[in-house]
Amino acid sequence: DIQMTQSPSTLSASVGDRVTITCRASQSFSSRLAWYQQKPGKAPKVLIYKASSLESGVPSRFSGSGSGTEFTLTISSLQPDDVATYYCQQYDSYPITFGGGTKVEIK
Amino acid sequence: EVQLVESGGGLVQPGGSLRLSCAASGFTFSDHYMDWVRQAPGKGLEWIGRIRKRVNSYTTEYAASVKGRFTISRDDSTNSLYLQMNSLKTEDTAVYYCARSGSYERCDYWGQGTLVTVSS
Repeated sequence: DIQMTQSPSTLSASVGDRVTITCRASQSFSSRLAWYQQKPGKAPKVLIYKASSLESGVPSRFSGSGSGTEFTLTISSLQPDDVATYYCQQYDSYPITFGGGTKVEIK
Repeated sequence: EVQLVESGGGLVQPGGSLRLSCAASGFTFSDHYMDWVRQAPGKGLEWIGRIRKRVNSYTTEYAASVKGRFTISRDDSTNSLYLQMNSLKTEDTAVYYCARSGSYERCDYWGQGTLVTVSS
């Protein structure tokens, strides 16, 4: 199984800050990685797929990059609406696995 | 508009069974793989399993934690997805989401979730 480790588990930043979340895989795989945003009490929403492709309708301040075993999600300018928990997911091999999540707060 | 609506959650005793349903609308259900994902209270997301399309013989994949106890099925004639859960354990307590696997296999649409509580 591919284990996905996210860091940090929590981050606090100011409005307008650049925020980066990292996801490290236990073994190398292709770009079959997605990032999801989940707000409290809501279902997850896909932001990025294929490691760097922006989902339709998602603000351009979100971007994804990486390959192999290290992937990142970047929010270029943090907004109050971005308060949420973010998860990476690899869908390169079964079982599909999620990272443990990163909770983003406003300082 | 794509909609996924789960139902069937509730309270069940350990060792019991429950069948969840997911009603799909707003897209050609038969063209998509479908996933189940769960989230225990206060915890992260856990992928449970996937069912492929008819052209892939409706084959399934499961997480080790549910393999042999849970079964995913679908009925393309009624645009419905199912999760049969047997031999339930307290650790199966979670909100269960159905999700559509879109192009590139990311989960591009999710239901609102249904809560399953396994407790005596």
